[in-house]
Formats: sequence, structure tokens, C-alpha cells
Amino acid sequence: AQTVTQSQPEMSVQEAETVTLSCTYDTSESDYYLFWYKQPPSRQMILVIRQEAYKQQNATENRFSVNFQKAAKSFSLKISDSQLGDAAMYFCAYRMLPGNQFYFGTGTSLTVIP
Amino acid sequence: DAMVIQNPRYQVTQFGKPVTLSCSQTLNHNVMYWYQQKSSQAPKLLFHYYDKDFNNEADTPDNFQSRRPNTSFCFLDIRSPGLGDAAMYLCATSRATGGREQFFGPGTRLTVL
Repeated sequence: AQTVTQSQPEMSVQEAETVTLSCTYDTSESDYYLFWYKQPPSRQMILVIRQEAYKQQNATENRFSVNFQKAAKSFSLKISDSQLGDAAMYFCAYRMLPGNQFYFGTGTSLTVIP
Repeated sequence: DAMVIQNPRYQVTQFGKPVTLSCSQTLNHNVMYWYQQKSSQAPKLLFHYYDKDFNNEADTPDNFQSRRPNTSFCFLDIRSPGLGDAAMYLCATSRATGGREQFFGPGTRLTVL
């Protein structure tokens, strides 16, 4: 069974600093997608970044980047130059291919300290 | 803008009184999902549709039903809501091919009195 583990229930970071959120997953599949989603308090869940397993290059979206270690089944999110608007719950998610099911981690609550 | 819309945003019902939550999408995605999310927890998948093919999660209570009359709309019916069903209900869509990520609606906050 596919499982996604986020071992950090809460994290905090000073504004303008860098923070890394951890995610590990368990799968025997070789083809899949990994995602980081952001859910601000009382607001909509939105996609932060996506990584395709067959791509060795780590995905980057502006201040957000991932460290994808396929052999170690690790997928961490780095947020650079943290901003107050980055405060949210962050969920790591996995999608096996083929298939339509997504598996979510338990989330990491990120606080940004002014 | 293409999006996922959920109505209502807030729903109050009484214990045991049936309630229907609505989701619509303008993305033309062939997969639609319903999740239940309780405070500070991960979304829990209830079921999903791939086109008209319904896929129920093994641990989804029988109290929860769903309908998808066409590509754009999907409904969540809770036949006899209990206090434990109070939660945020999220609708999401995805394509079976291509981008592969999910797009979420804003959610419906259900209160059971």
C-alpha cells in the first residue's frame, strides 16, 4: 500500500529565511507523481509544486524547490525567502500511474515569524 | 477562469436530516473526487468518479452517497448526518492524463446540530 509520511507536524521560520519540509513515501511503483499542496487557514488548497518520478531534475517554482531522492523515497520542499503569506498547512501527496487516487501525508503546519 | 465551484460554502443541518453538497467544474476534467477533511488533518478520500465509473473507498460509510449526472457536476449526499460527519468537504478534479495534479474547490463547511 502507498503511504506518505510527513514527520514534522509543525515548523516555524523567520521571515526572509529558508525552511525545508520533509516528506517520505512508500511505493513499489516506478512511475508516479509527487506534489506539495498548500492550504492557508480557511482557504482553498492549491498546488505548490509537482515532480514527475521519471525526471531526475528537481522541480522549481520561484521560491519553492524540491529535493527529490527517488532511491530514498524522499521528497522535501524548500521555501526560500519565506514570506508571511507562506504560512499554511502543507501537504505532500503521491499519485501512482496509471490510476486516479492520491495519497496525502498528514500535513505540516508552517508558521512564518515576522 | 476555469475552476472548481462548491455550493453552498457553509451548510448547517440537523442530526439525521439528509443533506446534499454540490460541486461543479469548468475544467472539463474526467475525474472528480470527494474528500472529508477534519480540523488540521489530511483530506480523507470518500470516493471518486472516472467519467461515470464510480470508485468507492472501502472505509467510506454507507451513509455517504454520490451522483455524477454529467461531466461538470458531482453531488455528495449524506443520508443521515451524525455529529461525527461535521467537517469540511472538499471536491477536487483531475485529468486522467496530462498534468496529473488535482484542482480543489473552496470546500463546504458542514455543521451538524
